[in-house]
Amino acid sequence: AQTVTQSQPEMSVQEAETVTLSCTYDTSESNYYLFWYKQPPSRQMILVIRQEAYKQQNATENRFSVNFQKAAKSFSLKISDSQLGDTAMYFCAFMKHAPGDDKIIFGKGTRLHILP
Amino acid sequence: DVKVTQSSRYLVKRTGEKVFLECVQDMDHENMFWYRQDPGLGLRLIYFSYDVKMKEKGDIPEGYSVSREKKERFSLILESASTNQTSMYLCASSTPAGAEKTQYFGPGTRLLVL
Repeated sequence: AQTVTQSQPEMSVQEAETVTLSCTYDTSESNYYLFWYKQPPSRQMILVIRQEAYKQQNATENRFSVNFQKAAKSFSLKISDSQLGDTAMYFCAFMKHAPGDDKIIFGKGTRLHILP
Repeated sequence: DVKVTQSSRYLVKRTGEKVFLECVQDMDHENMFWYRQDPGLGLRLIYFSYDVKMKEKGDIPEGYSVSREKKERFSLILESASTNQTSMYLCASSTPAGAEKTQYFGPGTRLLVL
């Protein structure tokens, strides 16, 4: 069975700083997807970034980038030039690359506070 | 844009009541999911459905049932609500056919059972 572990329950950083959220996972699958989702306070869960395991290049989306280390089963999220609007709960998540199987396994989340 | 809507943002119910949580998606997605979200536990899958009238148990199905009579609508039913079902409930949908594999979430329903 797959597991996803986020070792940082809560973090705080100053606005404009760079912050890295950690995530490790365990799987015997060779191909899969990894995600970071963001859930702002009292707002909808949205996808931040997606990584396909067979792609060696790390995914980036504007100020958000990942460090994907497949051998180490590590998938960290880096937020550059952090903004107050980045305050949210962040979930790391795993999905098998199996046709028709879209189940996602989530970590327990990291609550990130961006301080003015 | 994918839109997933849930019938209520907040609900207050009494113990023993039958509770219906509705979820509708407008992107013709085959797959739909119900999660509950609790502090420190992340998201846990209750039930999911890969097609109309099909349902599969997730990790914590006890005390819940679901209904999917139409492709766009997936309902979560609490037959007899209990206080330990007080939680945030999230609905999501996805399509296996798309190149961009992910789940799209609704805004959530915060349920309080008294």
